Amino acid sequence: DAGVTQSPTHLIKTRGQQVTLRCSPKSGHDTVSWYQQALGQGPQFIFQYYEEEERQRGNFPDRFSGHQFPNYSSELNVNALLLGDSALYLCASNRLAGGQADTQYFGPGTRLTVL
Amino acid sequence: TQLLEQSPQFLSIQEGENLTVYCNSSSVFSSLQWYRQEPGEGPVLLVTVVTGGEVKKLKRLTFQFGDARKDSSLHITAAQPGDTGLYLCAGPYQFYFGTGTSLTVIP
Repeated sequence: DAGVTQSPTHLIKTRGQQVTLRCSPKSGHDTVSWYQQALGQGPQFIFQYYEEEERQRGNFPDRFSGHQFPNYSSELNVNALLLGDSALYLCASNRLAGGQADTQYFGPGTRLTVL
Repeated sequence: TQLLEQSPQFLSIQEGENLTVYCNSSSVFSSLQWYRQEPGEGPVLLVTVVTGGEVKKLKRLTFQFGDARKDSSLHITAAQPGDTGLYLCAGPYQFYFGTGTSLTVIP
């Protein structure tokens, strides 16, 4: 059973460019969350998708947008990249059953470097 | 914003020593979770505490949830090099993560 997978593993972009990161949830999971993690810090919640809709959003600007597909996979898009967007981007999935979310599983992350 | 402050931020100890990591907030939480993250990987859930005063043990790791459900601690007995990693506490639904404690256990 494959866990949460993310692609690419590493990415280098320049300021002002746009980037798309991809996530496939663990089998049987229907909810995907995205996080930004600076080196040595805790993850910061970006947003969560369920039933192809953004369910919750953290304190991130509109440059950060996402999408969830019918097969539950998800994309994170960041426009007009800034140097400060350099971080590890984590995807996590879980199953939302009866309004109670079960254990969340994280992928290995995508390391984004903005030059 | 519900802030979760962890202390210490960095910890370097010798194998066999004991240590305690703290997670504190000014807010009351219905539950708290503890994760460990190793380099190049995502966080992995260790435990969830839900009742004030609750104590849970996971081998050499002991987790406690404060009576007022505003704080939690993680105690490791006889630390081993395999315990090295970033330890994170998190609030319900993982919308809020702590600032992290980076632990290095030296053989």
